[in-house]
Amino acid sequence: GAVVSQHPSWVICKSGTSVKIECRSLDFQATTMFWYRQFPKQSLMLMATSNEGSKATYEQGVEKDKFLINHASLTLSTLTVTSAHPEDSSFYICSANKGQGYEQYFGPGTRLTVT
Amino acid sequence: AQTVTQSQPEMSVQEAETVTLSCTYDTSESDYYLFWYKQPPSRQMILVIRQEAYKQQNATENRFSVNFQKAAKSFSLKISDSQLGDAAMYFCAYRSTNAGGTSYGKLTFGQGTILTVHP
Repeated sequence: GAVVSQHPSWVICKSGTSVKIECRSLDFQATTMFWYRQFPKQSLMLMATSNEGSKATYEQGVEKDKFLINHASLTLSTLTVTSAHPEDSSFYICSANKGQGYEQYFGPGTRLTVT
Repeated sequence: AQTVTQSQPEMSVQEAETVTLSCTYDTSESDYYLFWYKQPPSRQMILVIRQEAYKQQNATENRFSVNFQKAAKSFSLKISDSQLGDAAMYFCAYRSTNAGGTSYGKLTFGQGTILTVHP
């Protein structure tokens, strides 16, 4: 199998602070990782595609300076929500491709609450 | 750009019965993958079944099967002998096979269908 982990699973932060979410592929190398945002009972919205060693590709409408993505190694991508506000409260999910295979492996998600 | 549409926000089924979830998509590509994902209350995304567009045969995984109609751009999921553990939100998803395109590797999801299973 292929396992993707996320840390933390739940984080509460105060408005104006920054928070970092880690996504790790535990037993495979992931050249490409994806970050999604999901509101309750809604679909997953792709925020950005993260490639190891290069800049992330952001989807239209996603603020690059607010959602900083770093794919520092073949097993780790991080999403930093800068100057978080209550409207950034959401469920953030990462996924990873294993080589050129068709399947995306999803992390368990991180619930972010901004107070 | 590809779009995926799930027109059933909610569905319900009695335990042991059969239910079909609908999905349509729009694309100009001839080769692609289609998927059904399950998201239970834990919110962990689980791959249920996949279909390669070049294959005419409908995919089957145990109690789960699809009806893939390429010309109609339709991809429905049938769950047979429904179980309480099937209760979840189900997402239909599209993935391009075009390695040179900017959409390579990306999944485009439908809006989701919440499935309730009644005992």
